[in-house]
Amino acid sequence: DSGVTQTPKHLITATGQRVTLRCSPRSGDLSVYWYQQSLDQGLQFLIHYYNGEERAKGNILERFSAQQFPDLHSELNLSSLELGDSALYFCASGGHGYTFGSGTRLTVV
Amino acid sequence: TQLLEQSPQFLSIQEGENLTVYCNSSSVFSSLQWYRQEPGEGPVLLVTVVTGGEVKKLKRLTFQFGDARKDSSLHITAAQPGDTGLYLCAGDVRNDMRFGAGTRLTVKP
Repeated sequence: DSGVTQTPKHLITATGQRVTLRCSPRSGDLSVYWYQQSLDQGLQFLIHYYNGEERAKGNILERFSAQQFPDLHSELNLSSLELGDSALYFCASGGHGYTFGSGTRLTVV
Repeated sequence: TQLLEQSPQFLSIQEGENLTVYCNSSSVFSSLQWYRQEPGEGPVLLVTVVTGGEVKKLKRLTFQFGDARKDSSLHITAAQPGDTGLYLCAGDVRNDMRFGAGTRLTVKP
């Protein structure tokens, strides 16, 4: 157990739908990072939150959004889902060394 | 185009052999990290290198950061089946880590 908790582990949904992925960072970590991993793209940085504030944005689509709550957990919202959004979504916490969760495998059918 | 290029993309070797995988970029990084990822799990941090020319050893794994802080290598001595996995390098870009596509290593018994 890495200390970073992601739910759900698996998610199957239809095109056009909206889903929410949840992440609880390791105790004491203020940062949460979201990454998307697909077979042909590797780990792509989506967004970084620090203590409730957005710090950096990467290759995040406009259909995707995230937030970090006062208790430091974070949610990644994916809407108008397309087949190409099928991927593993990871969150990580920490500073110079990231600790990753086990990921959420999203399948869009 | 990936910010970090890793080579080779795939590597299959016999137990006991030595190997080196590479991580190259045209950008300078303040730090670089190596992770190992197993199927269905998040990446696990192996090492962080911060000083140009730095060499770090972790049992049979030797990590080197290039003098110009643009590249790194990972050398494994006497590989074992337990070393099988996806090896990812990640560079620090304004305090967010950007990942290479990885080297998928298979060590056959």
